[in-house]
Amino acid sequence: GAGVSQSPSNKVTEKGKDVELRCDPISGHTALYWYRQSLGQGLEFLIYFQGNSAPDKSGLPSDRFSAERTGGSVSTLTIQRTQQEDSAVYLCASSLVISGSYEQYFGPGTRLTVT
Amino acid sequence: AQSVTQLDSQVPVFEEAPVELRCNYSSSVSVYLFWYVQYPNQGLQLLLKYLSGSTLVKGINGFEAEFNKSQTSFHLRKPSVHISDTAEYFCALGTSGGSYIPTFGRGTSLIVHP
Repeated sequence: GAGVSQSPSNKVTEKGKDVELRCDPISGHTALYWYRQSLGQGLEFLIYFQGNSAPDKSGLPSDRFSAERTGGSVSTLTIQRTQQEDSAVYLCASSLVISGSYEQYFGPGTRLTVT
Repeated sequence: AQSVTQLDSQVPVFEEAPVELRCNYSSSVSVYLFWYVQYPNQGLQLLLKYLSGSTLVKGINGFEAEFNKSQTSFHLRKPSVHISDTAEYFCALGTSGGSYIPTFGRGTSLIVHP
């Protein structure tokens, strides 16, 4: 079956512009996560959606970052007024959260370069 | 609070040699543990997971890990590595109940030399 897909795969933007990154999770997965991975670094948690609950935004680094998930499926991560330090790979993951088992399925990522 | 420590940022090894990637965790509640692999320019994929039961867990590509509660460890092992195992490996921890946001280690880069 189809895995998690992300678009675009690469995005180059100028400092100060807004960008939108899209994630299509695996059908039926109730949980969706966004992470940021800077060069040579681990995963930085950004935001978590679970069903119809309010998202956990505790990882968003600033108010320039926001995300939404429409209809419990597709998610869009928006970065406003991009800065050079926003350059990173943005990974999306989805999960079927059932008792005890919530392994994540990751997309290939969007590589964002801010010039 | 919970945490995951991957003790080695980089592990070089020769092809066909055994390898162990170390992971230690800290949590005050019951844990679930995962190992993920990330090949260059790809997302992460699950290698194996420990939820409960047998402490020796076998995963894909010949990898296995052992959950050791007394030592709070979940080390990943492979008896004979291949060039194709060169990748970044992440250990992750989840807890029963509460938030379903796993805690990830910083990753270990496995470099297999011919």
